Amino acid sequence: DVVMTQTPPSLSVAIGQSVSISCKSSQSLVASDKNTYLNWLLQSPGRSPKRLIYQVSKLDSGVPDRFSGSGSEKDFTLKISRVEAEDLGVYYCLQGTHLPRTFGGGTKLELK
Amino acid sequence: QVQLKESGPVLVQASETLSLTCTVSGFSLTNYGVIWVRQPPGKGLEWMGIIWRNGNTDYNSALKSRLSINRDTSKSQVFLKMNSLQTDDTAIYYCTRGFGAWGQGVMVTVSS
Repeated sequence: DVVMTQTPPSLSVAIGQSVSISCKSSQSLVASDKNTYLNWLLQSPGRSPKRLIYQVSKLDSGVPDRFSGSGSEKDFTLKISRVEAEDLGVYYCLQGTHLPRTFGGGTKLELK
Repeated sequence: QVQLKESGPVLVQASETLSLTCTVSGFSLTNYGVIWVRQPPGKGLEWMGIIWRNGNTDYNSALKSRLSINRDTSKSQVFLKMNSLQTDDTAIYYCTRGFGAWGQGVMVTVSS
């Protein structure tokens, strides 16, 4: 199975600050169709996960452009510019290239 | 509007079988696959398996011997069955369409 390693496990931020979360995969996530199926999800407290980004850098509908994704092959980053209170929760990366799909361990974003 | 909703028992005895239903609306099961994901209390997300739009299935190898996913397209329902439950199967169980739309989840407790 592909192992997804997220760092850091937690982040303490002030509102308005920018942060980055890293996600590294044990195998390349480039699929046979040349697409890279790397997603970022946010799980707010007590809520279902919500996808923010798919295929590395494409924002889901309604997701603010303060969120951005980058990376390739095995190394990916989620950046949040100007953190807002509604951004707090646990972020997960998720690979959709290989079966079984696998999630990173999560990064908890908390208020400083 | 795409919606998914999980239903089933909230308390199951150890060694028994869990049966959950995911009822979808806003799309057809013959056009989209449905995935089951679970989350133990205070822990991360685990991909359990998928029923593809053609009715084929894939499972997490760690659960494969105990898990089956089926569907009734006429009722827009997907079914999860998992046998030989243990206390560490206690979790919130989610169904999702492609990780872009999620149900609210159902908390299942396995009692010894």
